[in-house]
Amino acid sequence: QSVLTQPPSVSGAPGQRVTISCTGSSSNIGAGYDVHWYQQLPGTAPKLLIYGNSNRPSGVPDRFSGSKSGTSASLAITGLQAEDEADYYCQSYDSSLSSPVVFGGGTKLTVL
Amino acid sequence: QVQLVESGGGLVKPGGSLRLSCAASGFTFSDYYMSWIRQAPGKGLEWVSYISSSGSTIYYADSVKGRFTISRDNAKNSLYLQMNSLRAEDTAVYYCAARGYSYGSAFDIWGQGTMVTVSS
Repeated sequence: QSVLTQPPSVSGAPGQRVTISCTGSSSNIGAGYDVHWYQQLPGTAPKLLIYGNSNRPSGVPDRFSGSKSGTSASLAITGLQAEDEADYYCQSYDSSLSSPVVFGGGTKLTVL
Repeated sequence: QVQLVESGGGLVKPGGSLRLSCAASGFTFSDYYMSWIRQAPGKGLEWVSYISSSGSTIYYADSVKGRFTISRDNAKNSLYLQMNSLRAEDTAVYYCAARGYSYGSAFDIWGQGTMVTVSS
């Protein structure tokens, strides 16, 4: 059971908009820790997609955006493309010393 | 170019040991916090361990505490994970990941991963 909760799967047709939620608690997202998002294409290592809740590293299309509110965060993808089909993970930090780095369980995005 | 390359994975029997290495290049390794993150087959990402840039601060996930030891050698631009008393549930791809300062607290550099299989 992951500390951060994500939907197992989402889907959308090409050109559509999808969102992926990431729900935490008062000891992680709600405590003010930033949320980061990673994209993992099949058979590859994760890649940083969004950092600091809503910032895109250079090279990441502006179709990808992030937001955070309270104990939750969201990743939005607009203008869906076939190459967006991947697993997406949110990550934050937690005030618990037993697990200071926390991930969501991951969301599989299927482009129909 | 900026990269992390893991090595040392393989097949090991339950109760055995393995030492993973992660070689960094293309960036100032000593400025980066480092982590090991694993992914069991068909599963999500699980954080394993974390070491500060100087090595003075270390954290472990409860699932590996007392069995795994993280270390780094900044002179050799290398990160290590000594894994003892391995269990079947430790079977996973192990990634090393680097957290610098340009992207807040995110892990902005990842290796390609090394597979560890624990089986008799």
